[in-house]
Amino acid sequence: QKEVEQDPGPLSVPEGAIVSLNCTYSNSAFQYFMWYRQYSRKGPELLMYTYSSGNKEDGRFTAQVDKSSKYISLFIRDSQPSDSATYLCAMSAPPGGYNKLIFGAGTRLAVHP
Amino acid sequence: GAVVSQHPSWVICKSGTSVKIECRSLDFQATTMFWYRQFPKQSLMLMATSNEGSKATYEQGVEKDKFLINHASLTLSTLTVTSAHPEDSSFYICSARASGKVSYNEQFFGPGTRLTVL
Repeated sequence: QKEVEQDPGPLSVPEGAIVSLNCTYSNSAFQYFMWYRQYSRKGPELLMYTYSSGNKEDGRFTAQVDKSSKYISLFIRDSQPSDSATYLCAMSAPPGGYNKLIFGAGTRLAVHP
Repeated sequence: GAVVSQHPSWVICKSGTSVKIECRSLDFQATTMFWYRQFPKQSLMLMATSNEGSKATYEQGVEKDKFLINHASLTLSTLTVTSAHPEDSSFYICSARASGKVSYNEQFFGPGTRLTVL
């Protein structure tokens, strides 16, 4: 079993739709949770970061962490064609293991006009 | 701010040759840099962690003699793929963590280098 599971998709939605992306994980030591966006043949860029449980909102993006279920989500409201990319979840444990980011497989999202 | 560059962006080489990839933090000092490998439609796999002025720490299964990492300054790390073979063809991405940013693992990623070994 992988430490982080993420459905690779692809996920195709119409412009304006609400997108829900999810990851599950098995390591209860993870405390830091991140979402990265990666365009084709580019490096990942950090979208959202959450520490421990809870929600965080930034514009059209909302990140949720449910540590009791070992489940994290990223919601994209009013999706745009420019949101078409691969979304990677990543997580790490506190110092001792904090150097290492563990990535999900990435979900490919296509938003069509 | 927090820009990381990689050079070259794309390289094709013959089997058996060595290839060097550079990773630079352009506007900040990075005490720690990371090297990842990403195969098509797969996630990023950490290969090694390098700290400025010390030897790199390699992940299990990564051959340190094949993937030579040097982190000679606070803004430059290099990855050399020695005696490259077709199975080494992949997308290599570096990231850097800025000095002082240790509250969480914020890493700034480079644009990646696509290596094709013929």
